[in-house]
Amino acid sequence: DVKVTQSSRYLVKRTGEKVFLECVQDMDHENMFWYRQDPGLGLRLIYFSYDVKMKEKGDIPEGYSVSREKKERFSLILESASTNQTSMYLCASSPGNNSPLHFGNGTRLTVT
Amino acid sequence: RKEVEQDPGPFNVPEGATVAFNCTYSNSASQSFFWYRQDCRKEPKLLMSVYSSGNEDGRFTAQLNRASQYISLLIRDSKLSDSATYLCVVNGGASYDKVIFGPGTSLSVIP
Repeated sequence: DVKVTQSSRYLVKRTGEKVFLECVQDMDHENMFWYRQDPGLGLRLIYFSYDVKMKEKGDIPEGYSVSREKKERFSLILESASTNQTSMYLCASSPGNNSPLHFGNGTRLTVT
Repeated sequence: RKEVEQDPGPFNVPEGATVAFNCTYSNSASQSFFWYRQDCRKEPKLLMSVYSSGNEDGRFTAQLNRASQYISLLIRDSKLSDSATYLCVVNGGASYDKVIFGPGTSLSVIP
């Protein structure tokens, strides 16, 4: 079974803090993704990566950055957290194009 | 028109009922299709891939109609544990920014 692990289930941060969300997958998948999910807006892609040190912007990259220094790890960084970044963040991985995504169990971030 | 649309729901059905969900997509170049289920406050989990010939997994049957650009999911003999939101996912091509999630359809199976 594919295992995608997100470092925290719940996080509470203050406005202006720098926030790191970590994601690790154990299946040697090429592709990794960060989504956020909000009520009524569904899943929205923030960034994805198809290789180490490679990254591509998704639909809503503003306010976020990512890092992929190792194949198994994909980090999402909120440079200066804002209240509108309060959301459920979901990391996913997949072995290649046209393959299904496998999700971590999510991080519920609250920015106060 | 949205890229991926689903039945708005919610669907409330009694145990044992058969329920069908529909999903339409706008990009005729879409190449792969999936159904996910998502429980409340949990991550989406892959339910099944959808193949051109249609496929079945126990009580679940998925169909793809490329000509009409829709996919469907049929659940037979509904169980209480089937209560969840069902997400249609369409991969539009070689790039992952073309992976589109539908808004989901909520199902509640009632005793």
